[in-house]
Amino acid sequence: GAVVSQHPSRVICKSGTSVKIECRSLDFQATTMFWYRQFPKQSLMLMATSNEGSKATYEQGVEKDKFLINHASLTLSTLTVTSAHPEDSSFYICSALAGVNEQYFGPGTRLTVT
Amino acid sequence: DQQVKQNSPSLSVQEGRISILNCDYTNSMFDYFLWYKKYPAEGPTFLISISSIKDKNEDGRFTVFLNKSAKHLSLHIVPSQPGDSAVYFCAASFYSGSARQLTFGSGTQLTVLP
Repeated sequence: GAVVSQHPSRVICKSGTSVKIECRSLDFQATTMFWYRQFPKQSLMLMATSNEGSKATYEQGVEKDKFLINHASLTLSTLTVTSAHPEDSSFYICSALAGVNEQYFGPGTRLTVT
Repeated sequence: DQQVKQNSPSLSVQEGRISILNCDYTNSMFDYFLWYKKYPAEGPTFLISISSIKDKNEDGRFTVFLNKSAKHLSLHIVPSQPGDSAVYFCAASFYSGSARQLTFGSGTQLTVLP
């Protein structure tokens, strides 16, 4: 099946710093990738849709200047959390669209901001 | 406004018996439905899906039923195995013009008792 990787799997950073998370589709090309965050015992909330070669589409309430998304190639999308605050601590998950309907998810990145 | 609802946060089933996980939705635009399985600190794994033109899809021990008039779908796992213990998310999607986005339910923690 389709494989999606994320790096890093865990990151701890200090308040005010920036963190970059990478999402790669390993065995297929994905023109569309998605970024989600999940708070403990809650559902996955879509943050943004990342389209290769164009600007990302952000969901309502998600600050595009804080969560920078770059989809530079058909196999890589990056999410940069800028000027991180403790409330940004969360589990961030990406997915890549394979075909028309199926999204395949990465293993997630646990971000802790101290 | 929760468009996809999983009203049971948890379910316990004896090994070998049937597990039935339920999901309700409100948006009649949804035309594709998926079930994902998720372990802690991992990304969701795609299990099974169903298009709105069907009312049943079966894959091994997993069967998804769709009742469009009731806006209800369910996932049946039979026989249940201890390894099935995980959080199960249902998700719904429709084509918005740019890409298919997923709207997730809040998840049901399934515990299969040996």
